[in-house]
Amino acid sequence: DVKVTQSSRYLVKRTGEKVFLECVQDMDHENMFWYRQDPGLGLRLIYFSYDVKMKEKGDIPEGYSVSREKKERFSLILESASTNQTSMYLCASTSNLAGADTQYFGPGTRLTVL
Amino acid sequence: AQSVTQPDIHITVSEGASLELRCNYSYGATPYLFWYVQSPGQGLQLLLKYFSGDTLVQGIKGFEAEFKRSQSSFNLRKPSVHWSDAAEYFCAVILRETSYDKVIFGPGTSLSVIP
Repeated sequence: DVKVTQSSRYLVKRTGEKVFLECVQDMDHENMFWYRQDPGLGLRLIYFSYDVKMKEKGDIPEGYSVSREKKERFSLILESASTNQTSMYLCASTSNLAGADTQYFGPGTRLTVL
Repeated sequence: AQSVTQPDIHITVSEGASLELRCNYSYGATPYLFWYVQSPGQGLQLLLKYFSGDTLVQGIKGFEAEFKRSQSSFNLRKPSVHWSDAAEYFCAVILRETSYDKVIFGPGTSLSVIP
């Protein structure tokens, strides 16, 4: 089974802090994604990566950056956390194999910025 | 712009009753369509997907969905709901961009089940 893990289930940070959210997948997937999930808005794509050291902006990249130094790991960085970044953050991965379009999700990190 | 809508924010059904969750998309070509479920405290899990072929798709946990091109819809159904189906349900579309696939999720429908 594909397994996507996220470093923390719950995180509380203060405004202005630098925050790192880590995601690791164990199935050698090429593509990895970071979403934030807010009530009534569904999932919104922040950034994604289709290869090591490659990244693309999603729909709401402002205030975020990402890092993908190794294929299995995709990090989301909040350079200076703000209260409007309080949210649930979900990581996902997919394979490039034909027909393998299913996204596999981690359990999520609920971030609260005070 | 491409979009996915789920008209029902919240639905409540009695256990044993039938269920239909609505999903509409706005996209020029035939999209790849998905339904995901998110149980409380969990990540999203794929229920079913449609790429081509038979427009009635069977998924896990007794769910099915029907693609209707004329209505731009991909509604999720279950003939008899169980209490464990209480969760949030997301419809999603994959858009084939030139160099990558972009996934667009609907806002979600929260399902409550009355015993």
